[in-house]
Amino acid sequence: EPEVTQTPSHQVTQMGQEVILRCVPISNHLYFYWYRQILGQKVEFLVSFYNNEISEKSEIFDDQFSVERPDGSNFTLKIRSTKLEDSAMYFCASSERGAGYGYTFGSGTRLTVV
Amino acid sequence: RKEVEQDPGPFNVPEGATVAFNCTYSNSASQSFFWYRQDCRKEPKLLMSVYSSGNEDGRFTAQLNRASQYISLLIRDSKLSDSATYLCVVNIPATGRRALTFGSGTRLQVQP
Repeated sequence: EPEVTQTPSHQVTQMGQEVILRCVPISNHLYFYWYRQILGQKVEFLVSFYNNEISEKSEIFDDQFSVERPDGSNFTLKIRSTKLEDSAMYFCASSERGAGYGYTFGSGTRLTVV
Repeated sequence: RKEVEQDPGPFNVPEGATVAFNCTYSNSASQSFFWYRQDCRKEPKLLMSVYSSGNEDGRFTAQLNRASQYISLLIRDSKLSDSATYLCVVNIPATGRRALTFGSGTRLQVQP
């Protein structure tokens, strides 16, 4: 079964550092998403990406965050100047036809900011 | 009112029991509905879509009541492996948010 791949599975970084979280969506999928889940809380939408541009973003996705699709397979989330409250599980998801048809999630990157 | 609201549980049931979860959503223009399952510290996995006429997949039955704005999930003959958090997920494009909105989840613990 095709899957979404995320790397690394766990990243520890110092406050103020930049991190890049990587995702390889399912190859024929056109819609890509980043979500985060703070421990014990719900899955929260960050950003969606379609046709090489951001299609929507939440209020969480401020200037500290950026996304990129640097080549035909990777989809990255960059967090500049990390804060303690950025510690969370970050999930990448992809969809062939859009949110109305459901997503497939990757296994996530656990980000710990110390 | 929260966009998607669920009873957090936990629901503790014995093996073989039937258990039902409800979820309410605030926006009547919501279009697509799903149940996802999330194991501890793992990614959400699509359990089933929810269709207007109701749908069944083995031991799982999902129903949608648009008039009352709620979705339900029924699990029959619970197995130990059903222990997880069940996430109610809604697509609400009328709000300008095309991405899926997740509820906080209902935790199920099936006991031997």
